[in-house]
Amino acid sequence: AQSVAQPEDQVNVAEGNPLTVKCTYSVSGNPYLFWYVQYPNRGLQFLLKYITGDNLVKGSYGFEAEFNKSQTSFHLKKPSALVSDSALYFCAVRPGSGNTPLVFGKGTRLSVIA
Amino acid sequence: DAGVIQSPRHEVTEMGQEVTLRCKPISGHDYLFWYRQTMMRGLELLIYFNNNVPIDDSGMPEDRFSAKMPNASFSTLKIQPSEPRDSAVYFCASSLDPEGNEQFFGPGTRLTVL
Repeated sequence: AQSVAQPEDQVNVAEGNPLTVKCTYSVSGNPYLFWYVQYPNRGLQFLLKYITGDNLVKGSYGFEAEFNKSQTSFHLKKPSALVSDSALYFCAVRPGSGNTPLVFGKGTRLSVIA
Repeated sequence: DAGVIQSPRHEVTEMGQEVTLRCKPISGHDYLFWYRQTMMRGLELLIYFNNNVPIDDSGMPEDRFSAKMPNASFSTLKIQPSEPRDSAVYFCASSLDPEGNEQFFGPGTRLTVL
């Protein structure tokens, strides 16, 4: 069965500094990987996904993520954090075949301090 | 498109009462998912439908929970009788074929059972 680990419950970063939110996964075969963001009192919003191709994926709001097959990781990154990036971030995975639903990580709360 | 629509946005009820949560997926999406989010357990998949047919309800916590999808544009999640431990935010999401496609989440229903 597939699983996702987000090892950090909370990440704090100063505004303007680069940020990284970590995600590792376990899945049979090739993975489909996703990042979502949740702002307070809102539903989850899609940020980006890796299906195939270039290991560096660019998404909304200046975020990007790098797929690393050997380390089974899909870390979310942004070169320069904004206070408005403060939110809850979820990594999700599903196998690249079949129609099984996404499995979500527990989420990482990002706090960007001015 | 208006996105995934959920109603009500907030529901406060007393223990033992029946609660019905409603969801209208994005038009054309064949898959519909119900999730529950709590601080303790994070985001849990309760049940999902494909073409109005329930595919996997293994996440439904108890027989008190039931979900239906009578047509492609409407689904309900019912709790009868409700208990205080059911207090959570319930999300509905929809997607095209999950293979490579992201899920779109509604704004959620915040349920409080007193």
